Amino acid sequence: GAGVSQTPSNKVTEKGKYVELRCDPISGHTALYWYRQSLGQGPEFLIYFQGTGAADDSGLPNDRFFAVRPEGSVSTLKIQRTERGDSAVYLCASRSGGANVLTFGAGSRLTVL
Amino acid sequence: ELKVEQNPLFLSMQEGKNYTIYCDYSTTSDRLYWYRQDPGKSLESLFVLLSNGAVKQEGRLMASLDTKARLSTLHITAAVHDLSATYFCAVDKGFGNEKLTFGTGTRLTIIP
Repeated sequence: GAGVSQTPSNKVTEKGKYVELRCDPISGHTALYWYRQSLGQGPEFLIYFQGTGAADDSGLPNDRFFAVRPEGSVSTLKIQRTERGDSAVYLCASRSGGANVLTFGAGSRLTVL
Repeated sequence: ELKVEQNPLFLSMQEGKNYTIYCDYSTTSDRLYWYRQDPGKSLESLFVLLSNGAVKQEGRLMASLDTKARLSTLHITAAVHDLSATYFCAVDKGFGNEKLTFGTGTRLTIIP
């Protein structure tokens, strides 16, 4: 596609539930990033993939968070046993090689009640 | 841990005025990025600065990088209302270490 696509755009869930957020990067972009942005804050790094493998997952806050990119294209961020503190906008970005200029998607707004 | 700090956090300025946003960071890096975010929207890349002394300009915005001082500036000339947005700088540690760390952002409001 022309841009980075994220679904759902909005997700409301209850505390303790499981959620999946999907990211469809720009075709041909090998690197894919997940960030989390809370209100009034800058994006906080979660994980980035180079191809199918996680090149750096140091930003995942705990073992409730997991991300996959099995075929080197679409990625899914999975959050188990959601907590109210997980409420944020989850941003996905991708880039091709070269300078680290990321193209961001519109984000998935997660609200945990 | 890499830290990226911006100041001011909030900036309200009149149309036609000039101002500068500062971004300083805690690690050696030659790569700095500026992004813009409109309310409720995602981030848009503005500038990529890849070496000491790099200067980029687009319209009323000019960004520069001093890697020795670990400082970047985003200068706004003769501000117009359309520039109202939140501006973020971000730093990585170079090729092979492309985790991008963002600053806290500067919310800029241009008053007519």
